[in-house]
Amino acid sequence: TQLLEQSPQFLSIQEGENLTVYCNSSSVFSSLQWYRQEPGEGPVLLVTVVTGGEVKKLKRLTFQFGDARKDSSLHITAAQPGDTGLYLCAGEGGGTSYGKLTFGQGTILTVHP
Amino acid sequence: DAGITQSPRHKVTETGTPVTLRCHQTENHRYMYWYRQDPGHGLRLIHYSYGVKDTDKGEVSDGYSVSRSKTEDFLLTLESATSSQTSVYFCAISWTGRGNTIYFGEGSWLTVV
Repeated sequence: TQLLEQSPQFLSIQEGENLTVYCNSSSVFSSLQWYRQEPGEGPVLLVTVVTGGEVKKLKRLTFQFGDARKDSSLHITAAQPGDTGLYLCAGEGGGTSYGKLTFGQGTILTVHP
Repeated sequence: DAGITQSPRHKVTETGTPVTLRCHQTENHRYMYWYRQDPGHGLRLIHYSYGVKDTDKGEVSDGYSVSRSKTEDFLLTLESATSSQTSVYFCAISWTGRGNTIYFGEGSWLTVV
């Protein structure tokens, strides 16, 4: 069974601060995805990283996939109240596990004005 | 909007009764998934389908069964609901099973009393 440890579980910061969310595993993943979920809705995909060492930027969000494809991070620069939400990382296995995602526990981010 | 409809959206049922949740998609995606979301656990895969009448178990399949008689519909059945199955259930779809964007429905809130 593949496991993903996501940290921190809760993050409360002031507007303008930077933050990083981590996602770690002892397993190798063929790809890793980051989702954001609003209350009462399903998760929405933010980004998929597939290559070890890959870095993707989405406005103020920077996503990195570890060289060994076992870990990932999400960095938000100058957080805004609109960034508030639940952030989930999810790893996709290989072989017969394609399409089956293993999710981290999630990080609840609150950005105060 | 990824064309996914879950029904019912909210349900309260008694322990021991059977419950069926329905997922309907209009995207003609081959893969469909059922996840459950619980605090501290992220999302966990219950069952998935890779085609009509083709299904397989996920990591938390005990107590659940699924059926897919048409491309557009994927049913999740709790044969005899228990309080431990109180959760939010999400249906998801993807075009292929590998490295493909997975779209989630809005969720079904199930309470077993």
